[in-house]
Amino acid sequence: SQTIHQWPATLVQPVGSPLSLECTVEGTSNPNLYWYRQAAGRGLQLLFYSVGIGQISSEVPQNLSASRPQDRQFILSSKKLLLSDSGFYLCAGRQGNYGYTFGSGTRLTVV
Amino acid sequence: GQQLNQSPQSMFIQEGEDVSMNCTSSSIFNTWLWYKQDPGEGPVLLIALYKAGELTSNGRLTAQFGITRKDSFLNISASIPSDVGIYFCAGSRNSGNTPLVFGKGTRLSVIA
Repeated sequence: SQTIHQWPATLVQPVGSPLSLECTVEGTSNPNLYWYRQAAGRGLQLLFYSVGIGQISSEVPQNLSASRPQDRQFILSSKKLLLSDSGFYLCAGRQGNYGYTFGSGTRLTVV
Repeated sequence: GQQLNQSPQSMFIQEGEDVSMNCTSSSIFNTWLWYKQDPGEGPVLLIALYKAGELTSNGRLTAQFGITRKDSFLNISASIPSDVGIYFCAGSRNSGNTPLVFGKGTRLSVIA
């Protein structure tokens, strides 16, 4: 079965600093991968998804970018964080027509 | 883009009560999924429905895939304190490359 690993669990960063969140997948190959952001107690906003190495689709134009350098690695980045980038970031993986498996999330606070 | 209308937005219930929530869409989906998110964690899949009219149970949870393929409901019977969390519905088309469409969630609070 598929397992999604995310780190760190929590992160406090100053405004203007860079960001790199990593997501890795275990147990499957060639999964579709997704980055979501969730504001406090709210719904899931799809940020990026990838169907393969080097393939990134952006859903919401913003201060973030994503990359997939390896089949089982998905990275979310920013060159300069904004206060509005604070939130709970979730990585998810999917194979075929099944549902997603989510990671445990990273809570980012930009101060 | 695609949207799922999930209701209610929040619920406060007494322990032992039954709970019902639903999702509707203006478009057809071929798969409906229900997730639960505990505080500070990622959502976890509860039930997946793959066939119109399908009724599936998982313990105290029961979910149905609407005949029109445009709706689904989730029922929780005899609620307990650990049922607290946010419940999300999600719809999928056949293509595995198309992202799931999520509802905005139902926040469930259980009063002991």
